[in-house]
Amino acid sequence: DQQVKQNSPSLSVQEGRISILNCDYTNSMFDYFLWYKKYPAEGPTFLISISSIKDKNEDGRFTVFLNKSAKHLSLHIVPSQPGDSAVYFCAATFYNNNDMRFGAGTRLTVKP
Amino acid sequence: DTAVSQTPKYLVTQMGNDKSIKCEQNLGHDTMYWYKQDSKKFLKIMFSYNNKELIINETVPNRFSPKSPDKAHLNLHINSLELGDSAVYFCASSQEMGLYGYTFGSGTRLTVV
Repeated sequence: DQQVKQNSPSLSVQEGRISILNCDYTNSMFDYFLWYKKYPAEGPTFLISISSIKDKNEDGRFTVFLNKSAKHLSLHIVPSQPGDSAVYFCAATFYNNNDMRFGAGTRLTVKP
Repeated sequence: DTAVSQTPKYLVTQMGNDKSIKCEQNLGHDTMYWYKQDSKKFLKIMFSYNNKELIINETVPNRFSPKSPDKAHLNLHINSLELGDSAVYFCASSQEMGLYGYTFGSGTRLTVV
């Protein structure tokens, strides 16, 4: 039962432009939503999160937007840099944090 | 100093063997996890464990068992390995609150031949 979905397996953008990664979820009971970044041969690295009671969270070049009515969240990276090239995983969890569900990931390529 | 460390990084073994993957965290987190990333790149939780309870994903075969000698360690034992067990296994740890995310190890690529 895949409760978190990333429908775009890959995305390519030009350096300096905006990258928008999308994620959909099915369980309205999730309390937190997160984005992770993963480089090859490394584990996922926590990037940014948002509580279900908010609709936006910003951290430097990274902003996560949450639309609860649509069960949709997105990650905006502005401006995109070549070092941002990685696989990005969307995730969702509950308050007690013991069962985080991940999407399948989107491979972002930022071209110089 | 690595926050969550797993060993070995690569493991190649024959069907039917028993193997273990070790995981240690130095973050003082209360909860540790094992995730499996399959050939389709999905990250699926296998176990979560703290000093209070072990939560097992019911789809995980009982050939897989977590062993926690103390709060900083959660090892994964696999008995009677099968070809389908080939995957990348990630250990992770976290504080209790979901907002802060998990800290993952770098993964162990298991290949069963």
